[in-house]
Amino acid sequence: ETGVTQSPTHLIKTRGQQVTLRCSSQSGHNTVSWYQQALGQGPQFIFQYYREEENGRGNFPPRFSGLQFPNYSSELNVNALELDDSALYLCASSWGQGSEAFFGQGTRLTVV
Amino acid sequence: GIQVEQSPPDLILQEGANSTLRCNFSDSVNNLQWFHQNPWGQLINLFYIPSGTKQNGRLSATTVATERYSLLYISSSQTTDSGVYFCAWTGTASKLTFGTGTRLQVTL
Repeated sequence: ETGVTQSPTHLIKTRGQQVTLRCSSQSGHNTVSWYQQALGQGPQFIFQYYREEENGRGNFPPRFSGLQFPNYSSELNVNALELDDSALYLCASSWGQGSEAFFGQGTRLTVV
Repeated sequence: GIQVEQSPPDLILQEGANSTLRCNFSDSVNNLQWFHQNPWGQLINLFYIPSGTKQNGRLSATTVATERYSLLYISSSQTTDSGVYFCAWTGTASKLTFGTGTRLQVTL
């Protein structure tokens, strides 16, 4: 059974640029959620995708967007990067909504 | 909105000691998970425990949904137990709301 994998593991971008982060869900899982974790804080919910549809969104601006593909993998896109977007971005997959979630190793994004 | 509070915020233990971490939540729980975040940022699943008690080796957890709290017990702690422990609550929506975390350091 393959776990949740994210790419890239580390990324450095310049303010104003755009970034795409990728997540492959665990085998058999159809729900993917994205979280942002700033240094010293707990993860904050960005949004969730269930069967390729957005299914809930946290308090993040529209420049945070996402996709889920037919194989249930997912992308997180962030436009017009700001310095405060520097964080660890975590992807979680689960079977159905509200069931046990499993996390990838994260992508550490630094905006300079 | 939902409040998920963890205590203590920081804990230093000597190897071999036992500890109890607490998670209080302000609304009815649908699901609750405990995670250990290692120094590289990976969130490791410990327990999926909306109610009742579970044990896994030196770790055990209890959730009392009616009183809106969950406890994580660590017995005979080891240096590899060091890291940040998070509880995460799910209500009727399916997103996880994380607590503030407990930073554990186990020393020799």
